[in-house]
Amino acid sequence: GNSVTQMEGPVTLSEEAFLTINCTYTATGYPSLFWYVQYPGEGLQLLLKATKADDKGSNKGFEATYRKETTSFHLEKGSVQVSDSAVYFCALGTMNYGGSQGNLIFGKGTKLSVKP
Amino acid sequence: AAGVIQSPRHLIKEKRETATLKCYPIPRHDTVYWYQQGPGQDPQFLISFYEKMQSDKGSIPDRFSAQQFSDYHSELNMSSLELGDSALYFCASSLRDRFPYGYTFGSGTRLTVV
Repeated sequence: GNSVTQMEGPVTLSEEAFLTINCTYTATGYPSLFWYVQYPGEGLQLLLKATKADDKGSNKGFEATYRKETTSFHLEKGSVQVSDSAVYFCALGTMNYGGSQGNLIFGKGTKLSVKP
Repeated sequence: AAGVIQSPRHLIKEKRETATLKCYPIPRHDTVYWYQQGPGQDPQFLISFYEKMQSDKGSIPDRFSAQQFSDYHSELNMSSLELGDSALYFCASSLRDRFPYGYTFGSGTRLTVV
């Protein structure tokens, strides 16, 4: 079946450090890939997405490239800020039979703490 | 821009009580999804609706039921509550035919069962 595996946290970095959070997936067909961010006490916010192989999603300095050959969608940011402290979820979305959107499958989440 | 609205934001219930969570999708979105996120866990898909019909079912307990109404809002009904039902419940909405453009989540309802 479909699944998402992302690196275990927590990840603690100093401000301005480089961030990588690894995410790999298993899926049949051609999934879309997403990164969601959850700040303390809040809901899930879409950070970025990629809908086909070699697409690069980017937002707020974060980037992730859809790599079909390695089934990966690693999240990167060149210089993290204290305000980036949150839990990051990698997610996979597939198309149902008939072309409609199916539900999302999430990774376990990676908690990022950025220290000043 | 209008977002997905969930109510209430917080809910405290006792064991064996019943709870009803509400979700109001983004206007013109025709599909609603419910997710449950336990403490420190990833969100788990419960159930989804399209045009007032159940379209997909995940790990929803038999004690839970849900429906989508003619105005597209959805309600998740939870009966015989257990301590383990304490979680954050998210609703998301989308346009069914807009694959693969994703979903918009509400801020969630935090249910605490005591």
